[in-house]
Amino acid sequence: EDQVTQSPEALRLQEGESSSLNCSYTVSGLRGLFWYRQDPGKGPEFLFTLYSAGEEKEKERLKATLTKKESFLHITAPKPEDSATYLCAVQAGSGYSTLTFGKGTMLLVSP
Amino acid sequence: KAGVTQTPRYLIKTRGQQVTLSCSPISGHRSVSWYQQTPGQGLQFLFEYFSETQRNKGNFPGRFSGRQFSNSRSEMNVSTLELGDSALYLCASSRTGTTGELFFGEGSRLTVL
Repeated sequence: EDQVTQSPEALRLQEGESSSLNCSYTVSGLRGLFWYRQDPGKGPEFLFTLYSAGEEKEKERLKATLTKKESFLHITAPKPEDSATYLCAVQAGSGYSTLTFGKGTMLLVSP
Repeated sequence: KAGVTQTPRYLIKTRGQQVTLSCSPISGHRSVSWYQQTPGQGLQFLFEYFSETQRNKGNFPGRFSGRQFSNSRSEMNVSTLELGDSALYLCASSRTGTTGELFFGEGSRLTVL
């Protein structure tokens, strides 16, 4: 059974204080690992796709990396508008749009 | 470009009733997936439809069902509601349904009393 574990569950940062979120996964035949952002009262919004170990993707203050067992979402010099829940998900097996999600990391960035 | 539209946004039902939720995908997207989100379990996959065919189904009881119409719009139905069905139901669309890059709607929040 595919499993995704995210840590920490919640993280509070001061504006400008860099940190990393972790996503550990167990899956048979990884087809892709995905990061989403979810704001309160909204649906998840796609951020990144990673396909193979060693791959990195960047977008503004966010950088996602992937190893064979985990992924990290690095947040550099965060701003209050980066506050959200960050979700990690894996796609495996059949390849259809069936994602197994972690429970997310709730990030709060204080000014 | 219009996003994924879900209706209704909020609804309250009582145990034993049934509910139907609707999802209109992004124009040109033929795959529609449904997820249930709860604080305890997070996002869990319900089912995925492509061209009116259910291609994949999650581990939910038969009370949860869905369908997709020829215009790619989708509905999901939950019968004999239980308190534990209270959740945010999210619909997501993609062009082919083979990618994990999904476009989510804002969800339908169901409360069962």
